[in-house]
Amino acid sequence: ELKVEQNPLFLSMQEGKNYTIYCNYSTTSDRLYWYRQDPGKSLESLFVLLSNGAVKQEGRLMASLDTKARLSTLHITAAVHDLSATYFCAVPEGGTSYGKLTFGQGTILTVHP
Amino acid sequence: DADVTQTPRNRITKTGKRIMLECSQTKGHDRMYWYRQDPGLGLRLIYYSFDVKDINKGEISDGYSVSRQAQAKFSLSLESAIPNQTALYFCATSDPRTGNYGYTFGSGTRLTVV
Repeated sequence: ELKVEQNPLFLSMQEGKNYTIYCNYSTTSDRLYWYRQDPGKSLESLFVLLSNGAVKQEGRLMASLDTKARLSTLHITAAVHDLSATYFCAVPEGGTSYGKLTFGQGTILTVHP
Repeated sequence: DADVTQTPRNRITKTGKRIMLECSQTKGHDRMYWYRQDPGLGLRLIYYSFDVKDINKGEISDGYSVSRQAQAKFSLSLESAIPNQTALYFCATSDPRTGNYGYTFGSGTRLTVV
């Protein structure tokens, strides 16, 4: 059974600081997804990581994937208040159910002045 | 119009009542999913459908049923609602033909069972 775990679950940051969110998963997968959710809103796609060593960057966020370690990181550089949200990673199931996503618990990020 | 539309957006219902949540999509995707979101638990899969004739249980299907009326429509029913089904429910679609299995989400239905 695929399990996806994020840490930390809660992250309170000061503006201007750097931090990393970790996403570990329990079975082999060749890809991983990151989503962002603003309070009371739906989830929107942030990054799609499609191979080992993949790195994607947008603005102050950078995501990477290490399929051998079954680990993805979401790095935040010089945080700003607008990054406050909940971040989810998600991994597809294998086999005949391929494509069905299992989500991590989510990391609630709060950026303070 | 949104690509994936969920109705209603908010609903308060009483214990024991039957309720249906509806999802429709204009993306032409074959695959549709129902998840529920609870604080600290992330999103958990209730049911999924890879095409109109294919419906599968997810990890938390007890107390729920679904109907795939057409490629574009996937409804979730709570036959007899109970308070611990209070949650935020999301419908999602995906299209593996693009090579990207990522989801497009609806805006969510906030359900409260009292």
